[in-house]
Amino acid sequence: EPEVTQTPSHQVTQMGQEVILRCVPISNHLYFYWYRQILGQKVEFLVSFYNNEISEKSEIFDDQFSVERPDGSNFTLKIRSTKLEDSAMYFCASSAQGLKNTGELFFGEGSRLTVL
Amino acid sequence: AQRVTQPEKLLSVFKGAPVELKCNYSYSGSPELFWYVQYSRQRLQLLLRHISRESIKGFTADLNKGETSFHLKKPFAQEEDSAMYYCALRGGNTGKLIFGQGTTLQVKP
Repeated sequence: EPEVTQTPSHQVTQMGQEVILRCVPISNHLYFYWYRQILGQKVEFLVSFYNNEISEKSEIFDDQFSVERPDGSNFTLKIRSTKLEDSAMYFCASSAQGLKNTGELFFGEGSRLTVL
Repeated sequence: AQRVTQPEKLLSVFKGAPVELKCNYSYSGSPELFWYVQYSRQRLQLLLRHISRESIKGFTADLNKGETSFHLKKPFAQEEDSAMYYCALRGGNTGKLIFGQGTTLQVKP
């Protein structure tokens, strides 16, 4: 069964460094998402991406964050100048249809980011 | 504001007992509600959605607009139901999901 894959599973970085989290969505999916979960808190929406552009983003997704689909398979989340509070589990998800059309979200296993 | 509340962090029941995981939401329009489940060391996966009106793994959930609730129920819990359960809402003309805090269901033998 096709799955969303994420790398790395765990990354430790120093405050101020840049981090790139990678995701390979399910191959025929068109909609891509990033969510995050700070330890002990809710899963929070960050951004959705369709047709090579951001379709929606949350207040959390400020200029520190960016997303890219550099080739036909990868979907990346870049965090510039990381802060301690960026430490969280980051989930990538994809769907064949947008949620507006009741498309089911398929999640990756997550990338745990620890900022020291 | 859109909000999902799961009042219980942990729900512990014995095998064979009924289970009800509570979810309340706040949304002014007509929301779409979902239950996602995360088994130990596995990824988040969709369990069911209110528009499907189906039973998955014996679980059902009914959207009650009057009480703004979408509680997840199962008449007889099994040990393999032990997992983290998240209620989520999608409202309006948006693709994003708003998640609740999650409830850990522990089914004891």
